[in-house]
Amino acid sequence: RKEVEQDPGPFNVPEGATVAFNCTYSNSASQSFFWYRQDCRKEPKLLMSVYSSGNEDGRFTAQLNRASQYISLLIRDSKLSDSATYLCVVNLGDKIIFGKGTRLHILP
Amino acid sequence: SAVISQKPSRDICQRGTSLTIQCQVDSQVTMMFWYRQQPGQSLTLIATANQGSEATYESGFVIDKFPISRPNLTFSTLTVSNMSPEDSSIYLCSASSGGYTFGSGTRLTVV
Repeated sequence: RKEVEQDPGPFNVPEGATVAFNCTYSNSASQSFFWYRQDCRKEPKLLMSVYSSGNEDGRFTAQLNRASQYISLLIRDSKLSDSATYLCVVNLGDKIIFGKGTRLHILP
Repeated sequence: SAVISQKPSRDICQRGTSLTIQCQVDSQVTMMFWYRQQPGQSLTLIATANQGSEATYESGFVIDKFPISRPNLTFSTLTVSNMSPEDSSIYLCSASSGGYTFGSGTRLTVV
């Protein structure tokens, strides 16, 4: 089983819709979790951390289920500018591991 | 979060040569990392750059091919040695400082 698994997509979603991404991780000792966003030909940038209680930042909501080793990201009222690759990231303590990313295309 | 300056941003190199990539962080950071990202793929960790000691390499990466320096808490280099076309990729450094931030990447093409 891969350390971090994501649906690669692409997700083609009309503007204004809600879209959800999932991610699973294999190491139960993983310490913290993040969602990063990567635009084409750019470096990854932190979108948000993921907490067990769930957390929200504007249109973005992240959830963590430690029992199922599962992380999710929900984007509401999607914008054209949300088009990017979303990377699930797991912190093992001494290093971080990236999922392969989920590509999102917001359609006008 | 720390700000990382990475250079060069891109290079085209002849096979058999070596390229050294530099990353300068604007503050002292405990941990720095080097990643490779091949077209359409996610980031693969090459190694953790340890200050004052040898880097810790991931499976599939070796010091002879990817020597790393970390002379202090704000600077690291990665050298891609004896390059072949298979080394064409984007190389990114990262630092842990209240989160993980990345340099802007080095796009390497080996011809």
